Amino acid sequence: GEDVEQSLFLSVREGDSSVINCTYTDSSSTYLYWYKQEPGAGLQLLTYIFSNMDMKQDQRLTVLLNKKDKHLSLRIADTQTGDSAIYFCAEILDTGGFKTIFGAGTRLFVKA
Amino acid sequence: DGGITQSPKYLFRKEGQNVTLSCEQNLNHDAMYWYRQDPGQGLRLIYYSQIVNDFQKGDIAEGYSVSREKKESFPLTVTSAQKNPTAFYLCASSSSYNEQFFGPGTRLTVL
Repeated sequence: GEDVEQSLFLSVREGDSSVINCTYTDSSSTYLYWYKQEPGAGLQLLTYIFSNMDMKQDQRLTVLLNKKDKHLSLRIADTQTGDSAIYFCAEILDTGGFKTIFGAGTRLFVKA
Repeated sequence: DGGITQSPKYLFRKEGQNVTLSCEQNLNHDAMYWYRQDPGQGLRLIYYSQIVNDFQKGDIAEGYSVSREKKESFPLTVTSAQKNPTAFYLCASSSSYNEQFFGPGTRLTVL
């Protein structure tokens, strides 16, 4: 079946690294995405990785993909209080290009 | 500026009323989506449309209806048949095999 799982909460101190993990079940994923949602707002695309890649780095963000274990992670270096938000993992399935499966979201708390 | 807009930002409904949430995009995207978000439950797909004049039910379509008469617009009606409509509603659009772009959301509250 199609499922994306994430832990619900993560708390870190300002300046530390945050690692948000995600597991997925469908091996037909084409792209995997990370979105950020601030309170009362829509989802903002943070970064993505194509399914044939292992790693992607974009400034403070590093995405790691382990296809064998169907595990995706998002590392935020030097976490700031402005990074406090809900982070959603999502995968686009190779079923005609339109079906996206979202995880339940991980709420990141950054303590000053 | 290209983007996706939703209105209103806040909406209040009395029990038994139908209400319509607006979603407009100027990104020239073929596909549009409506999601419902409840605390701690992530996003649940209500309806989606891949092309004008065509739409499909998502996972929780009961009590909702949509139309797609124009490429730019995908309004969602929350009918009186939806027994627990209080939630945050998100609209999104995408082109094929690409990421979804989200609007700012509408918070619906039943009085």
